[in-house]
Amino acid sequence: GAVVSQHPSRVICKSGTSVKIECRSLDFQATTMFWYRQFPKQSLMLMATSNEGSKATYEQGVEKDKFLINHASLTLSTLTVTSAHPEDSSFYICSARNAGSGELFFGEGSRLTVL
Amino acid sequence: AQSVAQPEDQVNVAEGNPLTVKCTYSVSGNPYLFWYVQYPNRGLQFLLKYITGDNLVKGSYGFEAEFNKSQTSFHLKKPSALVSDSALYFCAVRSGNTPLVFGKGTRLSVIA
Repeated sequence: GAVVSQHPSRVICKSGTSVKIECRSLDFQATTMFWYRQFPKQSLMLMATSNEGSKATYEQGVEKDKFLINHASLTLSTLTVTSAHPEDSSFYICSARNAGSGELFFGEGSRLTVL
Repeated sequence: AQSVAQPEDQVNVAEGNPLTVKCTYSVSGNPYLFWYVQYPNRGLQFLLKYITGDNLVKGSYGFEAEFNKSQTSFHLKKPSALVSDSALYFCAVRSGNTPLVFGKGTRLSVIA
């Protein structure tokens, strides 16, 4: 079946550093990918919609300069958390929409801990 | 605007008993409805979806859900719960190509 790979699955960084999370569709092309953030014991909150070859569309309240999204190819989107702070610690999940079937597949998530 | 309500934070059920996890939705246009399951520190696993057709949808691991348009509900059910079904369950809705909107999740605990 279709697989979406997220890397790294866990990352710990110091406050002030930047962290990049990759989301790859392994066996299909994804013109659209979505980035979600999940706080402990809470639901998934959509952060942004990433379209291949164009700028991401951010949800209200999400700082685009803090959460940089790049979707440079049909199989890869990256989320960079810039100048990370402890309040950015969270579980980040990506999903990718199969350009052919329209189905949506989720990555395994990346847990970010900022010290 | 789209929204999903999962009225129960927690559902407890004895192993072997039937289980129901409730979900209601609000959307303009035709709804596409989904159920996902999440295990600790993992991503979402797809269980089932309703796009069109039969109101009763059967999915993975013996789960099923019934689309009820008049009640705008899409409750998840399983005839006989297993301890391994214990997890966090999310209902989600979209319309057309809009992003998925998730409910807040319901934690299912199946007790042996």
